[in-house]
Amino acid sequence: QQQVKQSPQSLIVQKGGISIINCAYENTAFDYFPWYQQFPGKGPALLIAIRPDVSEKKEGRFTISFNKSAKQFSLHIMDSQPGDSATYFCAASLTGGYQKVTFGTGTKLQVIP
Amino acid sequence: DGGITQSPKYLFRKEGQNVTLSCEQNLNHDAMYWYRQDPGQGLRLIYYSQIVNDFQKGDIAEGYSVSREKKESFPLTVTSAQKNPTAFYLCASRRGTGALFNQPQHFGDGTRLSIL
Repeated sequence: QQQVKQSPQSLIVQKGGISIINCAYENTAFDYFPWYQQFPGKGPALLIAIRPDVSEKKEGRFTISFNKSAKQFSLHIMDSQPGDSATYFCAASLTGGYQKVTFGTGTKLQVIP
Repeated sequence: DGGITQSPKYLFRKEGQNVTLSCEQNLNHDAMYWYRQDPGQGLRLIYYSQIVNDFQKGDIAEGYSVSREKKESFPLTVTSAQKNPTAFYLCASRRGTGALFNQPQHFGDGTRLSIL
C-alpha cells in the first residue's frame, strides 16, 4: 500500500532529447508528489512537486504529468542537457502528521553529448 | 545561507564501535529526519522527530539511536548492533508539522559510513 514503483532504473538520452521517468503508487490517500534530483556525493534537492488536483505542472524544462485514475505520475525533461545527468527520485506523501515520505528506487539519468 | 549541515562527510567504523553522525539545521524547521541510502534502493527512514525531546522510529530503526535536545540538532548514533552499517546517511528537515499543506523536505549532503 505504501510502495512507490519507479522506472526505468537507468536511462541514457542524447543531448536535446526528452527524458521520461515514470512512477506508480498504490495508496490513494497520498496527496503530495515531489520529485528530487541527486548528484553524486550530494543530498537530494527538490526539483518540482504536484498535488493530485492538478494534471500537469511545468517549471522550465521540467514537467510533471499526473494521472489520478491510473495512480501514475511521470517526470518529463525537455531538451535534456549533460548537466541534467543525475539520479531522480519520485516520492509520495500524506498531509499532516509527520509526513512520512515514500520514495521510489531512483532513476540514474545520463545525458550524452 | 540557511541549510542543513552534516558531518563528517566520510566516517569509518571499527567492529564493536558506536559512531555518531551530526546533523545541524539553521532553517528553523520543526521536523527532522534520518534516512539511509543504499545503491539501487530508495531512501529508507530510520528515525524522525517532530519537536524537541520527541522522536519516533522509522522503518529501519534497529541498531540506531537518536536524540533531539535542541531544535536545530538531530544526531544519529550507529551502534555496534547495526550489523550492516555501510551506507550513505542523509539528514532532512521540514518546516512545520501537521501542516494543512505538505512542505518539502530539505536534505543535507550526507555522510558516507564505511566499515574498517
